[in-house]
Amino acid sequence: EDQVTQSPEALRLQEGESSSLNCSYTVSGLRGLFWYRQDPGKGPEFLFTLYSAGEEKEKERLKATLTKKESFLHITAPKPEDSATYLCAVTGGSARQLTFGSGTQLTVLP
Amino acid sequence: DAGVIQSPRHEVTEMGQEVTLRCKPISGHNSLFWYRQTMMRGLELLIYFNNNVPIDDSGMPEDRFSAKMPNASFSTLKIQPSEPRDSAVYFCASSDTNRGMEQYFGPGTRLTVT
Repeated sequence: EDQVTQSPEALRLQEGESSSLNCSYTVSGLRGLFWYRQDPGKGPEFLFTLYSAGEEKEKERLKATLTKKESFLHITAPKPEDSATYLCAVTGGSARQLTFGSGTQLTVLP
Repeated sequence: DAGVIQSPRHEVTEMGQEVTLRCKPISGHNSLFWYRQTMMRGLELLIYFNNNVPIDDSGMPEDRFSAKMPNASFSTLKIQPSEPRDSAVYFCASSDTNRGMEQYFGPGTRLTVT
């Protein structure tokens, strides 16, 4: 059974204070690891897909990296508008469905 | 481009009533997923369809829940009879698995059963 564990559960940063969110996973035959952003009252918004260890993707202040056991979402010089819950998900084998972690709630204070 | 469309956005109903949630996936996508999100359990997959055919409904909590996809542009999730523990946000997502596995989510339906 696929498993995804995200840490920390919550993170408070000052504006400009860089940090990283962690996603540890267990999956048989990883086919993809996904990062989503979810704002209150909205559906998850797709950010990145990573397919293999060593891969990196960037978007504005966000950079996602992948190893064989975990993924990191690095946030560089965050702004208050980066405040949201960040979700990690994996899919493996022949599955089409995603298994989601419980998320990290990020708050960036001005 | 229009994203995934869900209706209604909010539904308040009394215990025992039938509830129908609706979803229009992104045009051209071949897979559709229904999720439920609560504070306690996070985001849970209920059922998914590929090319309008139900593939895995193991996440459907019990026989009170049913889902259909009569065509490529429409799906429903029905709860009959509804119970207070069904209160949650229900999301529909779609993907084009011929191009990638990422799913695109709708805005959700917040269901409250009193």
